[in-house]
Amino acid sequence: DIQMTQSPSFLSASVGDRVTITCRASQGIRNDLGWYQQKPGKAPKRLIYTASSLESGVPSRFSGSGSGTEFTLTISSLQPEDFATYYCLQYNSYPHTFGQGTKLEIK
Amino acid sequence: EVQLVESGGGLVQPGGSLRLSCAASGFTFSTYWMSWVRQAPGKGLEWVANIRHDGSDKYYVDSVKGRFTISRDNAKNSLFLQMNNLRAEDTAVYYCARERACYAWGQGTLVTVSS
Repeated sequence: DIQMTQSPSFLSASVGDRVTITCRASQGIRNDLGWYQQKPGKAPKRLIYTASSLESGVPSRFSGSGSGTEFTLTISSLQPEDFATYYCLQYNSYPHTFGQGTKLEIK
Repeated sequence: EVQLVESGGGLVQPGGSLRLSCAASGFTFSTYWMSWVRQAPGKGLEWVANIRHDGSDKYYVDSVKGRFTISRDNAKNSLFLQMNNLRAEDTAVYYCARERACYAWGQGTLVTVSS
């Protein structure tokens, strides 16, 4: 199975900060990776697909990059509504696997 | 607008069975892979299973193989998850999602396995 190691697990930041979340795959997954945002009590929402493609309607302050084994999600200027938990998902090989999540909290 | 609505969750004893359903609308259901993902209380997301658009291929996480069966009825725009021999560790909110890359998600249905 491909392991997705997501870091950090917790991140404390302020409105306006630039933050980066990383996912490392235990083996190459090309660009078969998505990023998801989940708020408490809600279903996840996909932000990024194929590692760097921004979902329609998602603000441009979100961006994704990477290929192979290392991927990043960057939020260029945090807004109050961005405080949530973020997950990566690899869908290159079975079983598909999520990272363990990054909880982004207000400093 | 893509809409996915799960149902069928509830409280079940260990060893029991449940069948989850996901009603899809707003897109051509028969042309998309569909997935199930679960989230145990206070925990992260876990991919469970998915099924090709025509039902010809199905994949599962090891922990549910032999116990869970994913299926679909394209005529009724519906996705199913038959869960047998349920264990306490299957307790979770179960989400259906469109595509292998989980583009759109339902609101989830809670399955609680407890005596």
